[in-house]
Amino acid sequence: EVQLVESGGGLVQPGGPLRLSCAASGFTFSSYWMSWVRQAPGKGLEWVANINQDGSAESYVDSVKGRFTISRDNAKNSLYLQMNSLRAEDTAVYYCARIRMGTIYYLDYWGQGTLVTVSS
Amino acid sequence: DIQMTQSPSSLSASVGDRVTVTCRASQSISTYLSWYQQKPGKAPKLLIYGALSLQSGVPSRFSGSGSGTDFTLTISSLQLEDFATYYCQQTYGSRTWTFGQGTKVEFK
Repeated sequence: EVQLVESGGGLVQPGGPLRLSCAASGFTFSSYWMSWVRQAPGKGLEWVANINQDGSAESYVDSVKGRFTISRDNAKNSLYLQMNSLRAEDTAVYYCARIRMGTIYYLDYWGQGTLVTVSS
Repeated sequence: DIQMTQSPSSLSASVGDRVTVTCRASQSISTYLSWYQQKPGKAPKLLIYGALSLQSGVPSRFSGSGSGTDFTLTISSLQLEDFATYYCQQTYGSRTWTFGQGTKVEFK
C-alpha cells in the first residue's frame, strides 16, 4: 500500500526557516517524481514544487522561488521541503504527492498534510 | 504561466442530479488535465487523469472530457458521498503546474 506521511509542520515566526519531511513507503520511491502542494486555510490548492527521480531537476511556483528548496534522499525514501524567509502568506497545509509520469502527468497519491503557520 | 479557470465556483444539487463542472485553460494543454475531489479536512483524491481516464477504484458515474483549452467533469447521478470540492489541474510540460480555483458541490 502506498503511503506518504508528512511531518515537520508547526508555528514559525515570519522570516524564519522550517523543513518539512515526507516519508514514503509501499512503492519504489526512487522511480518516481514527487511534488509538494499547499492549501491556505479556507482556500484552494496551490502547486508548490516538483523534483525528478534523482533530484537533478526541480521546478517551483514563482511565489516560492529563491526561498524554498525541494530535495530527496532515495536511500531514506524521503522527500523534503526546506522553507526559508517564511511569510504569513506561506501559512497552509502542505501535502506531498507522488507524480505518475508517462505520456500524461498526474498526482496519484497524496499524504495527509502537515500544517505550517507563520505568525509572530 | 498557464491559468486555469473553473466554473461555477459553487453549485447546489440534489442526490441523483447530473452535475457538470468546467475548466478552461489560458492556452492549449492537450489532455494534460486531471480532476481531484477533496472533502473537508482530507487530502485531495485523484478522479480523472489525461482529461478522460478514470482512476482505478473511482465510480463510473464520474467522467471527464475535453482537450485543448476546454474540459468538463461530469457526475452522472450525484450521490451523498460526492458532496465535496472539485479541482482541475494542468500538468502541461514538467515545469510549472496550476490548479483551478475549485468548485464546491453543496446539497440543495
